[in-house]
Amino acid sequence: ELVLTQSPGTLSLSPGDRATLSCRASQIFSSSYLAWFQHKPGQAPRLLIYAASSRAPGIPDRFSGSGSGADFTLTISRLEPEDFAIYYCQQYGSALWTFGQGTKVEVK
Amino acid sequence: QVQLVQSGAEVKKPGASVRVSCKASGYTFTNYGIHWVRQAPGQRPEWMGWINAGNGDTNYSQKFQGRVSMTRDTSATTAYMELTSLRSEDSAVYYCARGRRYSYLDYWGQGTLVTVSS
Repeated sequence: ELVLTQSPGTLSLSPGDRATLSCRASQIFSSSYLAWFQHKPGQAPRLLIYAASSRAPGIPDRFSGSGSGADFTLTISRLEPEDFAIYYCQQYGSALWTFGQGTKVEVK
Repeated sequence: QVQLVQSGAEVKKPGASVRVSCKASGYTFTNYGIHWVRQAPGQRPEWMGWINAGNGDTNYSQKFQGRVSMTRDTSATTAYMELTSLRSEDSAVYYCARGRRYSYLDYWGQGTLVTVSS
């Protein structure tokens, strides 16, 4: 099983700050199969990034993804009030799809 | 616009079964698959499996083999997930999401809370 480990667990920041979220895999895999989601309580998860660095339609350009091999990063360049949420990375290239445990971005 | 609307919350006793529905609209249902993902309180999301809405082929996580069944009704553009022999550890929010077998999940349902309690 390909295990994804996200860090930090919680990021306490202010609107306007830059957020850098990490996702590390237990083994190398193709970046074509790495996605990032935003999830707010009581809402459907929202796809932000697929194939490690491609923004999903309608996603603001303050969200960007990068990385390859086993290390991936989601960057939010300037936090807006609506960006405070939980973020998950997910891989969809192996037979068993797996998710990271999430990073909560909270208001400082 | 693409929408996935799931059935309402369920409360079940241990040993019972639950069926969750996922009504799709806004796209050609048979051109995509439907994945099912669950998230228990305080846990990371967990992928359960996938159904090809076009031909009905399924692919289940080994963890749920023998207990899960994913079906679809193309005339109703609705996918279903049934989980049997429920135990307390199955209490979770269950989500359906649109996607092909090895492609990203681009639209998600709102989630269905399933509570298993005696």
